[in-house]
Amino acid sequence: KQEVTQIPAALSVPEGENLVLNCSFTDSAIYNLQWFRQDPGKGLTSLLLIQSSQREQTSGRLNASLDKSSGRSTLYIAASQPGDSATYLCAVRPGNTPLVFGKGTRLSVIA
Amino acid sequence: DAMVIQNPRYQVTQFGKPVTLSCSQTLNHNVMYWYQQKSSQAPKLLFHYYDKDFNNEADTPDNFQSRRPNTSFCFLDIRSPGLGDAAMYLCATSNSGQPQHFGDGTRLSIL
Repeated sequence: KQEVTQIPAALSVPEGENLVLNCSFTDSAIYNLQWFRQDPGKGLTSLLLIQSSQREQTSGRLNASLDKSSGRSTLYIAASQPGDSATYLCAVRPGNTPLVFGKGTRLSVIA
Repeated sequence: DAMVIQNPRYQVTQFGKPVTLSCSQTLNHNVMYWYQQKSSQAPKLLFHYYDKDFNNEADTPDNFQSRRPNTSFCFLDIRSPGLGDAAMYLCATSNSGQPQHFGDGTRLSIL
């Protein structure tokens, strides 16, 4: 059974810092991996999707990497801003089946 | 511009009183999902529709039912809500293998 773990559960950084969020999964046989952002009391917003054949994806200040063989992904946020404060969730698709989510990392960026 | 719309945003019901949550989409996606998310937890998939084909997760309580009368709409029915069913309920849509798009969720409270 696929399991997704995100460490740390919470992270607080000063504005302007670069930071890395970590995601690990137990079964490397995945179809793709997706990073989401969730603001309090809201739904999920898709940030980046990496197909199993890809190593990374970039969007603005965000860069997500994927190492399937080691079962790891990272989300890199450059020059963090207070508006980046949210919970970041990682999810994998184990084949042609629905996503399996991690519990998320709650990020606070302090002005 | 909202593409996945959930109504209502907040729902309060009494213990044991049936409740229906609704989701509509303007994306014409063929897959629709319902997730339950409790505080600081990962979203938990309840069921999904692939077109008209209903797929129930093995651990989804019998208390939870769903209907998809057409491509655009999907409903979550909770027949006899218990206190443990208080949560955020998230609807998502996608085309097969493509990123999921989420609504803002309905927060359900049980009195």
